[in-house]
Amino acid sequence: GAGVSQSPRYKVAKRGQDVALRCDPISGHVSLFWYQQALGQGPEFLTYFQNEAQLDKSGLPSDRFFAERPEGSVSTLKIQRTQQEDSAVYLCASSTTGLASNEQFFGPGTRLTVL
Amino acid sequence: AQTVTQSQPEMSVQEAETVTLSCTYDTSENNYYLFWYKQPPSRQMILVIRQEAYKQQNATENRFSVNFQKAAKSFSLKISDSQLGDTAMYFCAYNNAGNMLTFGGGTRLMVKP
Repeated sequence: GAGVSQSPRYKVAKRGQDVALRCDPISGHVSLFWYQQALGQGPEFLTYFQNEAQLDKSGLPSDRFFAERPEGSVSTLKIQRTQQEDSAVYLCASSTTGLASNEQFFGPGTRLTVL
Repeated sequence: AQTVTQSQPEMSVQEAETVTLSCTYDTSENNYYLFWYKQPPSRQMILVIRQEAYKQQNATENRFSVNFQKAAKSFSLKISDSQLGDTAMYFCAYNNAGNMLTFGGGTRLMVKP
């Protein structure tokens, strides 16, 4: 079966533009996660969904960041009024349930460059 | 808050030799899970091995094994018979609450022919 897919793979935005990043999780996976990975660093948690419910958004760095998963499948991470510090790779991951033991399956990421 | 530290930014190993990557973590929890993820240059992160904190036996997966020292909060990864395809970034990660993974800063491993 298909893994986690993300689109676009690369996005260049001018400072101040809005962007939308899409994640298609593995079919049937209940849990979905977004992480931000700055160059040369480990991923950092942004937000977590269980089905359509956003259970944790404590990692979102500002109110310019917004995520949704309206039907409990595809998720979109939106960044408004992008800033240069938003430049990073945005990783999406999904897992069968929200258990701590479960493997999270990662997508290839979207590399966002803000000029 | 939990933290994960990888003290080796870069390491190299000759093909067919053994290498150990270090990881320490800080937590006040008793039950949790530890993971090693591999991120090849193509960027897709894949799970290498996982360890349950309440299990004393170290996890092994083929050429990959861990040395889990709960009291010392240490979780190192040993790669035996290193292969060129093992070249990647390796991230140690922690999870206890069932949601987010907390990652270390990563170790870049280069396997030399």
